[in-house]
This record gives sequence, C-alpha cells and structure tokens, in this order.
Amino acid sequence: EVQLVESGGGLVQPGGSLRLSCAASGFTFPKTWMSWVRQAPGKGLEWVANINDDEKEKYYVDSVKGRFAISRDNANNLLYLQMNRVGVEDTAVYYCARSASPGAVDDWGQGTLVTVSS
Amino acid sequence: DVVMTQSPLSLPVTLGQPASISCRSSQSLVKSDGNTYLNWFQQRPGQSPRRLIYKISNRDSGVPDRFSGSGSGTDFTLKISRVEAEDVGLYYCMQGTHWPWTFGQGTKVEIK
Repeated sequence: EVQLVESGGGLVQPGGSLRLSCAASGFTFPKTWMSWVRQAPGKGLEWVANINDDEKEKYYVDSVKGRFAISRDNANNLLYLQMNRVGVEDTAVYYCARSASPGAVDDWGQGTLVTVSS
Repeated sequence: DVVMTQSPLSLPVTLGQPASISCRSSQSLVKSDGNTYLNWFQQRPGQSPRRLIYKISNRDSGVPDRFSGSGSGTDFTLKISRVEAEDVGLYYCMQGTHWPWTFGQGTKVEIK
C-alpha cells in the first residue's frame, strides 16, 4: 500500500523559510517521479513542482520559481520542498504526491498546512 | 499556461440520477507521444484528493463503474451514471500534457 506522509508545515512569517518533508513507502520510490500540489484554504488545487527519479528534471509553477526547490533522498525514500521568501499567497495545505504514471498524479498524502502570517 | 475550464461549478443532483461535468482546455492535450494526459480527481469533504480517471477514460482501481470519462483534444467529460450519497464533494480535472500541469477550478457536487 502506497503511503505518503508529509511533515514540516506550520506558521512562518512573510519572507521566512520552511522545509517540507514527505516520507514515502509501499512503492519503489527511487524509480518514481514525485510531485507537490497545494490547496489554499477554501480554494482549488494548484500543482507546484515535479521531480524525476534522479533529480535531473525539475519543474515548477511560475509563482514559486526561484523561491521553492524540490529535492529527494532516494536512500531514505524522502521528498522535500524547500520554501524560501514565502508570502501570504503561499498559505495552503501542501500535498506530497506520487506521479508514477506519465502526466498524472497517482496517489496523495494527507497534506501539511503552511500558514504565512506575521 | 493551459487553462482548464470546468462547468458547471456547482451541480445539485438527485440521488440515483446522472450527473455530468465538462472540462475544456485552452489548447489540445494530445502529447507528442500520442497520449492525452487528462485526469479526474474527487475530493470528499475533509479528505485528500483521489484520482478517479487517467488518460481521459481509464478508471483507477477501486473506482465504481458508475464513473466514466470521455472526450478528446480540448473537450472532456466526467459522468456519474447514478449519483450516490458518497459522491458528494469536489471534482477536478487536471492536464499533465503541458508544463506547468494545471487544474480546473473544481465542480461541487451536492445532493438536492
């Protein structure tokens, strides 16, 4: 059974930094593309970033380019999202997701809430 | 970026009756490999999203067969043949053909 467990969310001040983590199990993580998707309170879903299995391919939505960085630790089945220079518009539940199928999000974690506020 | 437009945004339905959600993309979702990466997700209240359909019409394991997807190019549809109480929630289409991946605004399905 695929399990994705996010952690690292919380309250952060505007301009601050936060690193989200996702512990993956139940599938061959080192061979799987992974994604981050977010959902602002009461709003729809927004894809944030993808990373391929060997970290050579990374893609970001324009609104986070240059501020967020996706990475992974294949030895320990961990996915990360480093969030820098955050703004109130980054307040959202952040979901870790498995993207084993091309062009798709196959499985989702339970999400971790990031609140940007002073 | 590819804009995904869903309609309606709110869909009150009677139990046992059919429901249909439209999703239109601002450009063709046919990728150079010949596949069309159009997905449908369900998000029940208080839960994480769950994928129902991938590549237009392929139902995920465990998804009831009352859910079906169809369409091509820029025009896609999710149909529920007979709505049940557990189908209440938000439904999103998502394209994975072009970077950045983009979602529709979501359609709220509720029981009349």
